[in-house]
Formats: sequence, C-alpha cells, structure tokens
Amino acid sequence: KAGVTQTPRYLIKTRGQQVTLSCSPISGHRSVSWYQQTPGQGLQFLFEYFSETQRNKGNFPGRFSGRQFSNSRSEMNVSTLELGDSALYLCASSLTELETQYFGPGTRLLVL
Amino acid sequence: AQSVTQLDSHVSVSEGTPVLLRCNYSSSYSPSLFWYVQHPNKGLQLLLKYTSAATLVKGINGFEAEFKKSETSFHLTKPSAHMSDAAEYFCVVSGLYSGGGDDGLSFGEGSHLIIQP
Repeated sequence: KAGVTQTPRYLIKTRGQQVTLSCSPISGHRSVSWYQQTPGQGLQFLFEYFSETQRNKGNFPGRFSGRQFSNSRSEMNVSTLELGDSALYLCASSLTELETQYFGPGTRLLVL
Repeated sequence: AQSVTQLDSHVSVSEGTPVLLRCNYSSSYSPSLFWYVQHPNKGLQLLLKYTSAATLVKGINGFEAEFKKSETSFHLTKPSAHMSDAAEYFCVVSGLYSGGGDDGLSFGEGSHLIIQP
C-alpha cells in the first residue's frame, strides 16, 4: 500500500506570494492532519480534516488554511507569505481521527 | 491540555551499546503516547505507540518504551545501538484518544541520537 505522498517536495517563494501544498493520504484513510516543522519552534499542529470537515485547528494565523476533498486528498494554502513561514510542512493521514497518524515526506518551503 | 518534555536534546552512544531517550509528559487525561523517528530529509516514521494496553510497548527496529504513570514518563530504549539508528526522535502525546479535545498531536523538542562507530 502506498504511503502518504506530498507535492511538491521543495518550493521557493518570495514574501507576499501565496502557496498551495498537496497531500494524498494512504488509501482508505479519511483523516488528514498538517504540521509545520521549524528549527526554532519544532513540530506544531496546524489543522486536521476528516470527511471534508476541519475538526481541529492549531494556533496559526488565518493566512494558513486548508481543505479536504471527497477523495480525502487535502490541500493547504498559505497566503501573503512571510519569511518565518519557511519550514518543512508535514502531512499525516489516519483511518479516522482516533487512529495512528502516518506521515508523508514533507514539503520544504523556502520564503525569500 | 497536554505537553511533552524530552530531557535529552543530544545523545551520543557507541555502536552496540544501549540507547535511552527520556520523555516526560503531562496530560489532564489518560494519554496516548508515541515515539516517532525522523531520518535526515525524511518524514516521520512511527516507532511505537501506547494506548492504555500493556505498559511495556515494543516497536520496530528493536526499540521499546515503558509507560510509567507514577513518573509520567515514557522513555525509549534499545539494547544495542546500530549505526542506522542515528536520527531525530520525537516523543508525542495525543489528547484526541482520551476525550481531551486537544488539538492534534503535541511533539517534544526532539532528541538527536548520534551513534559512534
């Protein structure tokens, strides 16, 4: 069974731009969560989607948004990029909200 | 709310010797606890998880962890380190399983494991 896939793997943007990251969960998994990893803040929870509904949201500004499609694929959008948004963005999927999360390889975003 | 503290930011051991990575947690509820490993430029891989069954949890690659409620600890151990174990290890607590309603997973700061030949 294929694992969680994330596209693109690497991305370079400039301040003020917006970006969309994509996550395809493991087949059959309906829950998708997003995390941001930076050297200074470590791993922080962004949000979780289940059955196309946002179930939980971390402490991030409204510039960070996401959505989930009927096939459980999820996208994350960051608008008006700031230098501090440079990070590794990890997506994790699980069968349901209560099951173990399995992580993708991440998208490394660099904001210049 | 829940939180996790990893007591060792860097751990260096010789190949073939035991590994101990320490983790303490706080949670208002009975937590679910995990250890994940992250190799350079890779995503997170689940090593093991505790969800209120056996207190000694066996994971992949010879790792195991013991849940001690009285000490609020969930230390990760391996009897004999291998060069391929060099990576970043994260202790993680989830409140979702226990009705805590907290947001997703809470990660520790990470422990960087170095294996000396």
